Amino acid sequence: DAMVIQNPRYQVTQFGKPVTLSCSQTLNHNVMYWYQQKSSQAPKLLFHYYDKDFNNEADTPDNFQSRRPNTSFCFLDIRSPGLGDAAMYLCATSRARGIDSPLHFGNGTRLTVT
Amino acid sequence: EDKVVQSPLSLVVHEGDTVTLNCSYEVTNFRSLLWYKQEKKAPTFLFMLTSSGIEKKSGRLSSILDKKELFSILNITATQTGDSAIYLCAVWGANAGGTSYGKLTFGQGTILTVHP
Repeated sequence: DAMVIQNPRYQVTQFGKPVTLSCSQTLNHNVMYWYQQKSSQAPKLLFHYYDKDFNNEADTPDNFQSRRPNTSFCFLDIRSPGLGDAAMYLCATSRARGIDSPLHFGNGTRLTVT
Repeated sequence: EDKVVQSPLSLVVHEGDTVTLNCSYEVTNFRSLLWYKQEKKAPTFLFMLTSSGIEKKSGRLSSILDKKELFSILNITATQTGDSAIYLCAVWGANAGGTSYGKLTFGQGTILTVHP
């Protein structure tokens, strides 16, 4: 089945220790997104790639970076995780950007910072 | 700034009850509204609504949009324990930067718990 896969499901890192979360998709979608979702809050868009074009949200901290080496893979790098970065990180894809393209989500990676 | 507000924040019902979840929005250049169901994993897509007054239906779930009053409702009839989840509403609107593709803004979700 075509899908969006995130690894790992659970990630524990130490305060200040860089961590990378990965996402892969078999949908061949052009757009890949990274959302941060804290407990009882709405998913918050960090950035997205439209093909190779990177689009950062204005309020995304510099601590968060992303790479998309090819259509299928996208990575979220947190350079120096703080306690406030503990959250569920959701990767999503869509065929295009806009009204006719629902997002398809992966199962998420729950990040704990100790 | 685009804003999506869902109510209630949480709801506890018994199997067989009917529930109505609400979503109101304030977005620049509204394009569409989406409903997602989130269990202990990824949100799964339920409905996309673009036109007022046209009900979308899937089994026991239905949804309708009112673009004049800027809200949508999601109805679930004859609820089952498997309906327990967080229901997320999200709206596509043109963002402040005026890009051609806009931005999807999520509400904080309604936590629905269905007891046997």
